[in-house]
Amino acid sequence: KAGVTQTPRYLIKTRGQQVTLSCSPISGHRSVSWYQQTPGQGLQFLFEYFSETQRNKGNFPGRFSGRQFSNSRSEMNVSTLELGDSALYLCASTKTSGTDTQYFGPGTRLTVL
Amino acid sequence: GESVGLHLPTLSVQEGDNSIINCAYSNSASDYFIWYKQESGKGPQFIIDIRSNMDKRQGQRVTVLLNKTVKHLSLQIAATQPGDSAVYFCAENGAGNNRKLIWGLGTSLAVNP
Repeated sequence: KAGVTQTPRYLIKTRGQQVTLSCSPISGHRSVSWYQQTPGQGLQFLFEYFSETQRNKGNFPGRFSGRQFSNSRSEMNVSTLELGDSALYLCASTKTSGTDTQYFGPGTRLTVL
Repeated sequence: GESVGLHLPTLSVQEGDNSIINCAYSNSASDYFIWYKQESGKGPQFIIDIRSNMDKRQGQRVTVLLNKTVKHLSLQIAATQPGDSAVYFCAENGAGNNRKLIWGLGTSLAVNP
């Protein structure tokens, strides 16, 4: 069974731009969670989607948004990029519950210049 | 807010020795705990989990101990190998209607040959 895939793997943007990241969960998994990982901050929860609905949300500004499609694939968008948005963005999938064992993709490394 | 913390941010061991990575949690309502391993350039990878109705669970070369009295979780790695070098995260499932995994900051394990 294929694992979680994320595209692109690396991205360089400039301040003020916007970016869209994509995540394809493991086949059969319906819950997708997104995390931001920065050195010294660990994994910060962004949001979780299940059946095309945002089920849970972390403490991030409205510039961070996401969505999920009927095939469970998910995208997250960051608008008006700031230097502090530079991070590794990780996507994880589970079958149903966002607190079950999560299976992570390799992440997208975003650098904002 | 509630969080999962780690006693030691870095741990250096000799190859062949046993490693113990500790984690403290603050939410007594958490009933599911997970350890993840993250190697450089990769997403976190599930190692082992434990539910609150257990005190100990063993896997291949790894053992997780749960002490609910003092809200402490530990990961023991037997005969540590160079391939065990990574950052290790503990996570708990929190409580409330909108449960989400709560992550520790991570412990970096360095195995010296």
